[in-house]
Amino acid sequence: AQSVTQLDSHVSVSEGTPVLLRCNYSSSYSPSLFWYVQHPNKGLQLLLKYTSAATLVKGINGFEAEFKKSETSFHLTKPSAHMSDAAEYFCVVRLSVRAGNMLTFGGGTRLMVKP
Amino acid sequence: GAGVSQSPSNKVTEKGKDVELRCDPISGHTALYWYRQSLGQGLEFLIYFQGNSAPDKSGLPSDRFSAERTGGSVSTLTIQRTQQEDSAVYLCASSSKQGIGTEAFFGQGTRLTVV
Repeated sequence: AQSVTQLDSHVSVSEGTPVLLRCNYSSSYSPSLFWYVQHPNKGLQLLLKYTSAATLVKGINGFEAEFKKSETSFHLTKPSAHMSDAAEYFCVVRLSVRAGNMLTFGGGTRLMVKP
Repeated sequence: GAGVSQSPSNKVTEKGKDVELRCDPISGHTALYWYRQSLGQGLEFLIYFQGNSAPDKSGLPSDRFSAERTGGSVSTLTIQRTQQEDSAVYLCASSSKQGIGTEAFFGQGTRLTVV
């Protein structure tokens, strides 16, 4: 079985300060991992993905995530938050085709950015 | 079209009525997913289609829910005898191939309100 846990349902930061959104996964297989962002009344947009190449993955809008197998984590970071980063963020894990090719979503983290 | 298209974008229906939600995936995408996002909740997997394989229906919450995918392209999610707890945003996604590193592209969703 696989699961994804986003450790914080809400994160609040001030504009210009670092962002850390935490994600832990459990999987019996080597997964692919994704971060998606959902702005209010908008669809889900891919931020970045890890597919067993480099463990530090760079995405759009200055976001990065580091895959740490020993910690089963895939935390999302950004050095300096912008007001436009306020949104809901989802960590997603996907197993192999043989294991079902399922996309499993974490519960989401709502990021609030204060001026 | 360039992206995943869902229709209608909004649907209000009376309790007990049947509804059909439509998804047009990106042309050539063999994998198609349906998810449900209730207010303040994460994404709940409903059903997954991959090519000509039997769909994975493990996420359908009751036998009132069904889905089909005609010709490997358009998919319809049908909810019979709708209940108020069916109110949610229903999201469709597609992806191009079976590789686990392939990201899914999401539609804008159908907001279903059962009154």
